[in-house]
Amino acid sequence: AQSVTQPDIHITVSEGASLELRCNYSYGATPYLFWYVQSPGQGLQLLLKYFSGDTLVQGIKGFEAEFKRSQSSFNLRKPSVHWSDAAEYFCAVYTGTASKLTFGTGTRLQVTL
Amino acid sequence: DTEVTQTPKHLVMGMTNKKSLKCEQHMGHRAMYWYKQKAKKPPELMFVYSYEKLSINESVPSRFSPECPNSSLLNLHLHALQPEDSALYLCASSQADRGETQYFGPGTRLLVL
Repeated sequence: AQSVTQPDIHITVSEGASLELRCNYSYGATPYLFWYVQSPGQGLQLLLKYFSGDTLVQGIKGFEAEFKRSQSSFNLRKPSVHWSDAAEYFCAVYTGTASKLTFGTGTRLQVTL
Repeated sequence: DTEVTQTPKHLVMGMTNKKSLKCEQHMGHRAMYWYKQKAKKPPELMFVYSYEKLSINESVPSRFSPECPNSSLLNLHLHALQPEDSALYLCASSQADRGETQYFGPGTRLLVL
């Protein structure tokens, strides 16, 4: 069965610093890959997605992610973090095998001023 | 427009009450989903409707009863819930249920007393 790992439960960065959130998946073929963000008590907002093609994808709010097949990774990056980026970030994969979205456990981002 | 709306935003109910959660989308999506999310956890899939038919039930207790009256509406009927059912209930929709991007609503925060 496919699985998604987000190794970092909690990350703290200073405003203006760069950010990288890690995501690794376990699946034989290339799945569909997503990053969502969730502010406290809110729903999930799609940041970006990868289905095929260019392995560097751009998303909203200045985020980007790079798919690396050899490492089974889909890490999320932002060059300069803003205080409003503080939230929970979920990586998710979709595979035809399970016919559903499988979420990682999430990474909570705290931004210090 | 990628909006999914959910009502009510908050709900408090006793264990003997009957209540319903409502979800609506006007994006022409043909797949709709219910998720349950406990604090500090990722969303857990409960039900999937595809073309107004229930396609996935993740072994959810019968005290949760989904309904899809038409392609734009999704309801979740609640009866005889337990305190451990208190959670954020998220609705999502997608073009179809084959890995297309899921768009989430803001959720209903449910408290069972």
